[in-house]
Amino acid sequence: DAGVTQSPTHLIKTRGQQVTLRCSPISGHKSVSWYQQVLGQGPQFIFQYYEKEERGRGNFPDRFSARQFPNYSSELNVNALLLGDSALYLCASSSTDAGQRETQYFGPGTRLLVL
Amino acid sequence: AQSVAQPEDQVNVAEGNPLTVKCTYSVSGNPYLFWYVQYPNRGLQFLLKYITGDNLVKGSYGFEAEFNKSQTSFHLKKPSALVSDSALYFCAVRASGTYKYIFGTGTRLKVLA
Repeated sequence: DAGVTQSPTHLIKTRGQQVTLRCSPISGHKSVSWYQQVLGQGPQFIFQYYEKEERGRGNFPDRFSARQFPNYSSELNVNALLLGDSALYLCASSSTDAGQRETQYFGPGTRLLVL
Repeated sequence: AQSVAQPEDQVNVAEGNPLTVKCTYSVSGNPYLFWYVQYPNRGLQFLLKYITGDNLVKGSYGFEAEFNKSQTSFHLKKPSALVSDSALYFCAVRASGTYKYIFGTGTRLKVLA
């Protein structure tokens, strides 16, 4: 089975622009989470979605938004990009929502560079 | 508040020697603990997890981890290191009933031939 897939793999934007990142979970998984990993740091939680509903949000500004589609794929949108948004954005999927004992499986990430 | 500490930025070990990567945590309630490995320009790969039960957890690629509740630690171990184990290792914790993982800052493991 295919793992978590993300697109695009790399992206270059300029300050003030908007970006959309995409994620397809492992087949059968209904939960998707998004993380931001800045160089030299561990991943920071942004959002979790389960069955198309937002279940949790990390300490990120409203410029960050996400949604989950009926096929459980997800998009992460970032508006008004700042230089500090440059990072590796990771998507993770699990079969159920958090609170269960499920493992999150991560995709390869999208590397975003804001100039 | 939940937190994870990985006190060593880098661990060097000779090939064939045992390795330990340290992790301590702070969480309310029962912890769910995870180890992930990240290779350059790659996402995180799951190694192992502790949910409940035996304190020694065995995972992928010969790795294991020991859960110590009194010391709030979850150290990653391998009896004999390989050069190919060189990578960035992350410890993560999730409190039961919560929705997010809290990751440590990572430990870079270098296995020297």
